[in-house]
Amino acid sequence: DTGVSQDPRHKITKRGQNVTFRCDPISEHNRLYWYRQTLGQGPEFLTYFQNEAQLEKSRLLSDRFSAERPKGSFSTLEIQRTEQGDSAMYLCASSLGGTGAGYTFGSGTRLTVV
Amino acid sequence: GIQVEQSPPDLILQEGANSTLRCNFSDSVNNLQWFHQNPWGQLINLFYIPSGTKQNGRLSATTVATERYSLLYISSSQTTDSGVYFCAVVALIQGAQKLVFGQGTRLTINP
Repeated sequence: DTGVSQDPRHKITKRGQNVTFRCDPISEHNRLYWYRQTLGQGPEFLTYFQNEAQLEKSRLLSDRFSAERPKGSFSTLEIQRTEQGDSAMYLCASSLGGTGAGYTFGSGTRLTVV
Repeated sequence: GIQVEQSPPDLILQEGANSTLRCNFSDSVNNLQWFHQNPWGQLINLFYIPSGTKQNGRLSATTVATERYSLLYISSSQTTDSGVYFCAVVALIQGAQKLVFGQGTRLTINP
């Protein structure tokens, strides 16, 4: 297992377009998290899955954002009608169990909305 | 919600110097993690340290949970240590752990 994989690494899109990002967690990890990081800031929590169930969503996740994790494996994060304020690094992480010691992050998808 | 503050925001050192990064948090926490974000954006988990002291090579960390702070020490800095160091405390959500990050300390090690 090569860790948490995210695709694409970079995405440039025009305002108003829809974009979708993919995250493949470590195979034995049942918990998957999405975070957003803007320039000069620390990552901020967006949402969390335990297996296929989405159990928590931040108020940062507006109606234009939707995340899925079908079959409890990979996850997708879709942003509809992108805005310039959506430009950020989108980070995915996974962990096994609830101890917190095994958080592993992917390399992120950098979104630029022009 | 819980607040996490890191200091200093920026630190520029010469190779070989030692450094201390600080993380203060506003409420009692069950655990705390230190991460290094490299220039390519990858967050690398350095320490999971709810309390006490841990060491890993040239890096060590100490958390004093009762006084709500943690310190990250880097000795004999190398240029590859450059990047942003984040402290994150853990908030429980439905059995799993959400990380609340500070704003980071940007470390630059010059040759």
